[in-house]
Amino acid sequence: EAQVTQNPRYLITVTGKKLTVTCSQNMNHEYMSWYRQDPGLGLRQIYYSMNVEVTDKGDVPEGYKVSRKEKRNFPLILESPSPNQTSLYFCASRPEDRVLLGSYNEQFFGPGTRLTVL
Amino acid sequence: QKEVEQNSGPLSVPEGAIASLNCTYSDRVSQSFFWYRQYSGKSPELIMSIYSNGDKEDGRFTAQLNKASQYVSLLIRDSQPSDSATYLCAVNMAGTGFQKLVFGTGTRLLVSP
Repeated sequence: EAQVTQNPRYLITVTGKKLTVTCSQNMNHEYMSWYRQDPGLGLRQIYYSMNVEVTDKGDVPEGYKVSRKEKRNFPLILESPSPNQTSLYFCASRPEDRVLLGSYNEQFFGPGTRLTVL
Repeated sequence: QKEVEQNSGPLSVPEGAIASLNCTYSDRVSQSFFWYRQYSGKSPELIMSIYSNGDKEDGRFTAQLNKASQYVSLLIRDSQPSDSATYLCAVNMAGTGFQKLVFGTGTRLLVSP
């Protein structure tokens, strides 16, 4: 089954304790992204990756790190979590853009990780 | 001005009615438009994509795009209580070497039996 998986699904932690949220896709997609979703603010992109070893900041990258050592995996790292990083996090993947056709390929989301930082 | 704007709702419709959800966007060169459905606490699920002006129908769903007015809408015919969810409009916009997908904050739809 084609899917994006995330782990853990739920996490409660304390300020300053480093954590990693894993993301994996089995669709051989080039592009992967991390979003956070907060009430009233919608989905905001944290980081994205266009391929292995190619990553860049999204709209709200402060306090987060990512890596893309393998095509299928795109972990999100919080080196020193703070309460303002309490949120619902989604990983997403999609195929490479069909630039010549001027279209943007459909994006698939993982099930989400609800993080609470105390 | 927000890049993608939606009325937050809730939009309340009775079962069997047509629900009309609207979205405006700021980037004139955007070419790809998507509607996602999201149930509370769950991940967004793609229900429609549209790339050309006009209407695109898929079952009970119809997406409408008007690039001149920078407007995209979603019609849900014969609305069912199971359609109650938040509907997210997403639009591709040019990023730095990357076409990023920008989401609206969503419209909450409530379908009453």
